Amino acid sequence: AQSVTQLDSQVPVFEEAPVELRCNYSSSVSVYLFWYVQYPNQGLQLLLKYLSGSTLVESINGFEAEFNKSQTSFHLRKPSVHISDTAEYFCAVTRGSGTYKYIFGTGTRLKVLA
Amino acid sequence: ETGVTQSPTHLIKTRGQQVTLRCSSQSGHNTVSWYQQALGQGPQFIFQYYREEENGRGNFPPRFSGLQFPNYSSELNVNALELDDSALYLCASSFDTDYEQYFGPGTRLTVT
Repeated sequence: AQSVTQLDSQVPVFEEAPVELRCNYSSSVSVYLFWYVQYPNQGLQLLLKYLSGSTLVESINGFEAEFNKSQTSFHLRKPSVHISDTAEYFCAVTRGSGTYKYIFGTGTRLKVLA
Repeated sequence: ETGVTQSPTHLIKTRGQQVTLRCSSQSGHNTVSWYQQALGQGPQFIFQYYREEENGRGNFPPRFSGLQFPNYSSELNVNALELDDSALYLCASSFDTDYEQYFGPGTRLTVT
């Protein structure tokens, strides 16, 4: 079985500062990893995903995440945040084969301060 | 290409009642998964339907049931509603049981 741990429930950060949202997973098989963003009263939007290949994946809005198999981590980073990045961020894992469900972390609330 | 849609957007029910939530999958997708997201929590997998058959179920009681139609749209039915059923219900579709699921905007259910 897979599990996901998001160590920080809330992360306050000032605008234009860097941020890292941590995600660790547990699995005995190969996995795919995802980061989703959820704005208030909305559904989930895919931010970025790791399926295979390069361990560093990037989104179109400046976020990046690095898959680290030895540390079983998939931390999300952004070098300079904006007020509009304020949202809930969820890390999710699923098996790399024959899969059918996503396991989500409990989420990290990113609050960008002016 | 039409994305995943869900209806209704919001609804309020009374404890003990029954509710049906609907989901239209993205064009070309034959698999639908349902998730429950309680306030302040991450989404929890309820079940998945693949080509009109249940293809896996999470830790939810039998009063949560589903259906998938020949056009691959889906319904989630919840009987004997409890206060703890209040949540955002998310539907996600995918091509086959492929890893990449596309989420709809959700239905906010409030049970009073």
